[in-house]
Amino acid sequence: DAGVTQSPTHLIKTRGQQVTLRCSPKSGHDTVSWYQQALGQGPQFIFQYYEEEERQRGNFPDRFSGHQFPNYSSELNVNALLLGDSALYLCASSLYRTRGSSYEQYFGPGTRLTVT
Amino acid sequence: GQNIDQPTEMTATEGAIVQINCTYQTSGFNGLFWYQQHAGEAPTFLSYNVLDGLEEKGRFSSFLSRSKGYSYLLLKELQMKDSASYLCAPDSWGKLQFGAGTQVVVTP
Repeated sequence: DAGVTQSPTHLIKTRGQQVTLRCSPKSGHDTVSWYQQALGQGPQFIFQYYEEEERQRGNFPDRFSGHQFPNYSSELNVNALLLGDSALYLCASSLYRTRGSSYEQYFGPGTRLTVT
Repeated sequence: GQNIDQPTEMTATEGAIVQINCTYQTSGFNGLFWYQQHAGEAPTFLSYNVLDGLEEKGRFSSFLSRSKGYSYLLLKELQMKDSASYLCAPDSWGKLQFGAGTQVVVTP
């Protein structure tokens, strides 16, 4: 049973460039959430995708966008990179719930993005 | 809005018990997750509390008081491998709001 996978593992970009990160959810999961984790901080919620639509969004600018494909995999795109975008980007998958208790979110190993 | 508060670091000896407190103020609340994160690794699930009270799972237990906006994670019979960051995360319909985490250091 494959867990959550992310690619690439590491990435170095220059300020102003654009980047795309990829995530494949755990088998049987239909929802993907993206988080940004700066060094020494907890993960910060970017957005969540279900049925190929953005369902919830955190306090991140429009430079951060995403997509979910029919096979439930997802991409995170960041435009006009800033030095402050350097962080570990985590993808988490789960089953979607509209109300009540949530299901556990399984995290992938993350993509370490460095912006120079 | 959101405000999650946890101690930055706690140190305890092998075999001891440590309690990590978490207070939160958040809009829209389903329940509260606790995750463990070793350095350089992804967070791994420990517990999820929806109702008030204590939930026990082996050496780890978690408590929730919704009215007080308070939770704690209890780690018993500490082992060296328990040295890690412990993250409290109130859940708003799948949107997890993580605190900065509590670094637990287990000493021999």
